[in-house]
Amino acid sequence: RKEVEQDPGPFNVPEGATVAFNCTYSNSASQSFFWYRQDCRKEPKLLMSVYSSGNEDGRFTAQLNRASQYISLLIRDSKLSDSATYLCVVTSGAGGTSYGKLTFGQGTILTVHP
Amino acid sequence: DTAVSQTPKYLVTQMGNDKSIKCEQNLGHDTMYWYKQDSKKFLKIMFSYNNKELIINETVPNRFSPKSPDKAHLNLHINSLELGDSAVYFCASSQGGVTRWTEAFFGQGTRLTVV
Repeated sequence: RKEVEQDPGPFNVPEGATVAFNCTYSNSASQSFFWYRQDCRKEPKLLMSVYSSGNEDGRFTAQLNRASQYISLLIRDSKLSDSATYLCVVTSGAGGTSYGKLTFGQGTILTVHP
Repeated sequence: DTAVSQTPKYLVTQMGNDKSIKCEQNLGHDTMYWYKQDSKKFLKIMFSYNNKELIINETVPNRFSPKSPDKAHLNLHINSLELGDSAVYFCASSQGGVTRWTEAFFGQGTRLTVV
């Protein structure tokens, strides 16, 4: 089983659509959780951190379910500029040989079309 | 003012050569990383350092040798380059805490092509 697993897509949606991405992780001791965005030929950049209480940033909502080891990202009212690869990222906690290790999912490709 | 900067951005070299990629961060983070992104776009960790100490060394050929002269710098030296080393290499930094880690900041990447 992969450490972090995402549906690679691609997701092709029209502008204005709502789209949801899911991610599961295998290490129950994981400490921090993020969604990153990567544009073509660019570096990954933080989209948002993910907290157990759930958090929202404008059109983006992220949820974490530690019991199910599941992370989600919801994008409402999709824009053309949302087209990118979305990466689920999990960080291992303190101590041990995986200290601070960021583990990436394989990424979900989103294309928003007019 | 770039948070994580790596050089060079592009590197084209012949098989068998030795090359280095440099990385610097001005965020005051204790932890720095090297990641490799292959043609399938999967980001895989190679190494991480915490305060100049090697913490993570994934299954990477011995031809790859990281060096951290101080906690703001992490360089990657590659000996005897092979065709399969062609990829994008990203440097990143982050900061750990008692209960969580900060976001990681990435350099712009070094696109290595071995011919």
